[in-house]
Amino acid sequence: GQNIDQPTEMTATEGAIVQINCTYQTSGFNGLFWYQQHAGEAPTFLSYNVLDGLEEKGRFSSFLSRSKGYSYLLLKELQMKDSASYLCAVRNTGKLIFGQGTTLQVKP
Amino acid sequence: EAGVTQFPSHSVIEKGQTVTLRCDPISGHDNLYWYRRVMGKEIKFLLHFVKESKQDESGMPNNRFLAERTGGTYSTLKVQPAELEDSGVYFCASSPRGPGNEKLFFGSGTQLSVL
Repeated sequence: GQNIDQPTEMTATEGAIVQINCTYQTSGFNGLFWYQQHAGEAPTFLSYNVLDGLEEKGRFSSFLSRSKGYSYLLLKELQMKDSASYLCAVRNTGKLIFGQGTTLQVKP
Repeated sequence: EAGVTQFPSHSVIEKGQTVTLRCDPISGHDNLYWYRRVMGKEIKFLLHFVKESKQDESGMPNNRFLAERTGGTYSTLKVQPAELEDSGVYFCASSPRGPGNEKLFFGSGTQLSVL
């Protein structure tokens, strides 16, 4: 079966750090993606991990452990505009399998 | 560079009617995907085109859904006849062939409501 789990909602304070976790069990694995989606807009690419370890890109970092079926997205120096849905997705034979998404609310 | 565009952004139809959604991928992108999100659920894969050929249509729910990509440019997804459970947001995504093809560029989606 295909299963991707992430928390439904999270709340954090402006300027803080937040970590969004994602665990997965899929029949195949060709990489893990994080997308950001603001309400009514297109999901936009944040990060892609295919090997174990941490990928850092500005305020956003993503970590992958393939042996544990685990990833996290780390957002630093949170800004109000970071309030959005964050989607974890595993690539399997060319198609993406998504989790339900984590709605992050950033408060002043 | 223009992104992936979808039309219409919203569509409200009655059960039994026909609706056609359109997707214009980023110019030069051979890969085109359709995904769908029904309320309360995750985004799910429908099908994948490489140019005009259907590479994978394993996610298509049933034969009421027909996707085409004549000429390998824009794509249409027709639902005929529409049922209540077809309501949701239909996303299109595209990517180039070769290196970098793992990163998908998504459109804003078509919100379909079947009443």
